Amino acid sequence: TQTVSQSDAHVTVFEGDSVELRCNYSYGGSIYLSWYIQHHGRGLQFLLKYYSGNPVVQGVNGFEAEFSKSDSSFHLRKASVHWSDSAVYFCAVNNNRIFFGDGTQLVVKP
Amino acid sequence: EAAVTQSPRNKVAVTGGKVTLSCNQTNNHNNMYWYRQDTGHGLRLIHYSYGAGSTEKGDIPDGYKASRPSQENFSLILELATPSQTSVYFCASGDWGGSQNTLYFGAGTRLSVL
Repeated sequence: TQTVSQSDAHVTVFEGDSVELRCNYSYGGSIYLSWYIQHHGRGLQFLLKYYSGNPVVQGVNGFEAEFSKSDSSFHLRKASVHWSDSAVYFCAVNNNRIFFGDGTQLVVKP
Repeated sequence: EAAVTQSPRNKVAVTGGKVTLSCNQTNNHNNMYWYRQDTGHGLRLIHYSYGAGSTEKGDIPDGYKASRPSQENFSLILELATPSQTSVYFCASGDWGGSQNTLYFGAGTRLSVL
């Protein structure tokens, strides 16, 4: 059984701060790991994904994520957040079926 | 740009009525999915499809049917709507393998069953 755990339901930071949104997964085989963003009242949009190679992957709008096999993690980071980054972020594990975490709501205060 | 369009965007239905949610994709993806999103539950998979004519049960299929009459269209059908089916429903399309493995979502349908 694949599981995706996002330990923080809510994260609040100030504009210009760095942020890390955590994701841990459990799966024994080869998988793709992804992050999606959902702005209020809209559908999910793809941010980035990892399958193999360089464990640090770059996404849109300055986001990056780092894969760690030893920690079974795929944390999302941004060095300097903007108020427009306020949204819900979903981590996902995909291998023909896609499993989503419960999401982390990021609030960026001015 | 990949496009997934859902209709209607908002729907109010009565208990016991029939509701059909429609989804159209112009991505030529084989796979399509229906999710519902509720506070505290994240995204839950209802039905999915591998191509025209195929439908598969997801994690919470009870009370829902699906129809995939063509590559582009995937419908979710509530034959006898209940208040517990009040939710936001998302359709998505995607393919697996190689550089794929990305889902493209519609904007969602907000359904209220009274």
